[in-house]
Amino acid sequence: GAVVSQHPSWVICKSGTSVKIECRSLDFQATTMFWYRQFPKQSLMLMATSNEGSKATYEQGVEKDKFLINHASLTLSTLTVTSAHPEDSSFYICSARSWGGYNEQFFGPGTRLTVL
Amino acid sequence: AQKITQTQPGMFVQEKEAVTLDCTYDTSDQSYGLFWYKQPSSGEMIFLIYQGSYDEQNATEGRYSLNFQKARKSANLVISASQLGDSAMYFCAMREGISAGTALIFGKGTTLSVSS
Repeated sequence: GAVVSQHPSWVICKSGTSVKIECRSLDFQATTMFWYRQFPKQSLMLMATSNEGSKATYEQGVEKDKFLINHASLTLSTLTVTSAHPEDSSFYICSARSWGGYNEQFFGPGTRLTVL
Repeated sequence: AQKITQTQPGMFVQEKEAVTLDCTYDTSDQSYGLFWYKQPSSGEMIFLIYQGSYDEQNATEGRYSLNFQKARKSANLVISASQLGDSAMYFCAMREGISAGTALIFGKGTTLSVSS
């Protein structure tokens, strides 16, 4: 099956710093990737849809300048949390679209961000 | 209005028993897909089962079956012969429309606890 990786799996940073999270499709080309955010014991909330070679589409209420998304190639999308604050601490999960079949979206293992 | 409703925050079941996790959905699209994912404490999202809006038969995958009642807009997950390893959070999700590039919308989840 299709594999999606995320790096890092967890990160701790100081308030005010920027953190970059990578999402890679390892064995397929992903024209579309999705970024979700999940607080403890809560649901996954879509942050943005990332299409290769074009600007990401952000969901209402998600700050574009704070959560920078770049989908520079068919196998890599990055989410950069700029000037992170403690309220940005969360679990960030990406998923990638694969052609064919009903289960087109494959999820990465997630990145746990803690901002001190 | 919520697109996906999971009314059971937590469910408890004994090993080897069957359990039903409820999910109702709301959409005006004729074409849509319904998914169930399992999320253990590690955070990874594990795909369990899929049901398309035009599928006439209920989907089954091993011990998982989806009780699809289109008129009631419900898509309950049935887990037969529960195992201790089934303890996790379970999410019902929907993809509206026919485009595979559409993001999934998740319910709030149900925490399943299986005891011996």
